Amino acid sequence: DVKVTQSSRYLVKRTGEKVFLECVQDMDHENMFWYRQDPGLGLRLIYFSYDVKMKEKGDIPEGYSVSREKKERFSLILESASTNQTSMYLCASSLAGDRVNEKLFFGSGTQLSVL
Amino acid sequence: AQKITQTQPGMFVQEKEAVTLDCTYDTSDQSYGLFWYKQPSSGEMIFLIYQGSYDEQNATEGRYSLNFQKARKSANLVISASQLGDSAMYFCAMIPGRGGGNKLTFGTGTQLKVEL
Repeated sequence: DVKVTQSSRYLVKRTGEKVFLECVQDMDHENMFWYRQDPGLGLRLIYFSYDVKMKEKGDIPEGYSVSREKKERFSLILESASTNQTSMYLCASSLAGDRVNEKLFFGSGTQLSVL
Repeated sequence: AQKITQTQPGMFVQEKEAVTLDCTYDTSDQSYGLFWYKQPSSGEMIFLIYQGSYDEQNATEGRYSLNFQKARKSANLVISASQLGDSAMYFCAMIPGRGGGNKLTFGTGTQLKVEL
């Protein structure tokens, strides 16, 4: 069975802290994604990666960076956490390529609270 | 740019009845894919159904069907014989056809509650 695992379900951090959100997939997928989910706004793409060490900005990359040193792992980094980054963060993966029928597989999400 | 619109923030339905969740989209691409995902309170996004822009038949998956009207740019989800376990948030999403890299664009979601 396919699996996307996010390291934490709930996380509480203080303003200004550096925060790492980790995501691991076991499906040998090339594409990996980080989304942010807020009530009334749906899911918005922060960053995605289509290969190791490759990354591309999504719709809302400000305040975030990413790292993909190994194919199975994609990390989201908040360099200096702020209260407006309190949100649910969802990681996803998909097979390589550009096909319109390629569904994404999601992790269970990390609810991050920045105090 | 692609845009997905879901105009129903919340919906109620009686158990065993059918319900339609609305979704309209905007794209200039000829080739694109449309998806519906379910998100229960546990948080995980569960894939429900897919419709390709060139598919002539409406997609069906068990109790789920997608009412695809290309000229109107709508892709409504129909759930037949609703069950209590269908209570969840439902998202409509799209992958564009040109250089999309499988990036899904999501709507704002519809919270469905199934009542006895």
